[in-house]
Amino acid sequence: AQSVTQLDSHVSVSEGTPVLLRCNYSSSYSPSLFWYVQHPNKGLQLLLKYTSAATLVKGINGFEAEFKKSETSFHLTKPSAHMSDAAEYFCVGRTSYGKLTFGQGTILTVHP
Amino acid sequence: GAVVSQHPSRVICKSGTSVKIECRSLDFQATTMFWYRQFPKQSLMLMATSNEGSKATYEQGVEKDKFLINHASLTLSTLTVTSAHPEDSSFYICSAWTSGGAGETQYFGPGTRLLVL
Repeated sequence: AQSVTQLDSHVSVSEGTPVLLRCNYSSSYSPSLFWYVQHPNKGLQLLLKYTSAATLVKGINGFEAEFKKSETSFHLTKPSAHMSDAAEYFCVGRTSYGKLTFGQGTILTVHP
Repeated sequence: GAVVSQHPSRVICKSGTSVKIECRSLDFQATTMFWYRQFPKQSLMLMATSNEGSKATYEQGVEKDKFLINHASLTLSTLTVTSAHPEDSSFYICSAWTSGGAGETQYFGPGTRLLVL
């Protein structure tokens, strides 16, 4: 079985500073991993996905994530936070034919 | 990109009534749709997997007789909460799965907030 763990429930950064949202996975096989963002009252939006083609995955809005098998991690980063990045972020694993397992979510707050 | 809609976006109902939520893939065909629920300050929990033309597969602990799922076409799946009670109040989100040139991707609807009084 696959599980996904987000290590921080809340992350707070200042605008213009780097963002790091941490995610660890456990899987008995090479996983497909995703990061989704959920803004208030809006649907989930796919930021990026890892499907074994490249360990460093670039997504939308300047986000990227690096798959590290040795650390079983898939942390999400962004060099410079913007106010519009404030939202909840979910690290997600795909367990089988389209079926997803969600991490607990990390709420990102961006201060002016 | 692909769009998934849900209707209604919000619904308030009395305890004991039934509520139907629609999930539509607007510009693609989805053989598989998923239904999730999200309680306040919690993550999304998969309720069931819905395949067009066949019975839905429910996750452990989800009552199939209470949460009726119909996937009659490749663009529409419905979730009916029967005899709703206050504890069913939640945020219900559907997603539609498709495989194509960009690989497999799930697209999520905007969600339906259900409040049972």
